[in-house]
Amino acid sequence: SSELTQDPAVSVALGQTVRITCQGDSLRSYSASWYQQRPGQAPVLVIYSKNKRPSGIPDRFSGSSSRDTASLTITGAQAEDEADYYCNSRDNVKNLLGMFGGGTKLTVL
Amino acid sequence: QVQLQESGPGLVKPSQTLSLICTVSGGSIGYGGYYWSWIRQHPGKGLEWIGYIDHRGAAYYSPSLSSRVSISVDTSKNQFSLKLDSVTAADTAVYYCARAELYGDYEGAFDFWGQGTLVTVSS
Repeated sequence: SSELTQDPAVSVALGQTVRITCQGDSLRSYSASWYQQRPGQAPVLVIYSKNKRPSGIPDRFSGSSSRDTASLTITGAQAEDEADYYCNSRDNVKNLLGMFGGGTKLTVL
Repeated sequence: QVQLQESGPGLVKPSQTLSLICTVSGGSIGYGGYYWSWIRQHPGKGLEWIGYIDHRGAAYYSPSLSSRVSISVDTSKNQFSLKLDSVTAADTAVYYCARAELYGDYEGAFDFWGQGTLVTVSS
């Protein structure tokens, strides 16, 4: 398969923990990166190499993976975390970093 | 801090060629080690990878767009460019340039992004 599948929408109560998942065959071999996109803004990298955070990304963001599924966990969600989240990995045909999931819209209640 | 900025026409007529330039500051394309990328987002939709190029000019494209797309690099200007031929209304999107870093054989990420530019295909 050459797709990454994400739930279209997820909600979380303020201060609670939420997990956003990304499923695909390529994730058995390649690790996922995660991007946050707020309305009207460019995507921002929040997790790479499974569980590494770029400078400036709060430590409430973490990543994990198991078999064909990668997960982004936000522990203690804040109002500013309301955004679209996309996973990304290399494809398992040409090893190009071109696969994006369809995105998950996170609502913080 | 690396910064990327897209530039180019915001309106392109059907059947013509879409041309965009990404200017990089805060880092040299010619230094190597990164892939300079184009990604687009149709209105209200998800991210779609178009392709990327390294500092030597080796380019890689999405299979779905490879027959119409060309990416080039000008290290002397610290810029890279996108050309998309024979555009239709389906090519209307926000186009982002971004820097990709590939870690070994199994990992990678787009770590810096431009702000994006909306290109509308219409007569």
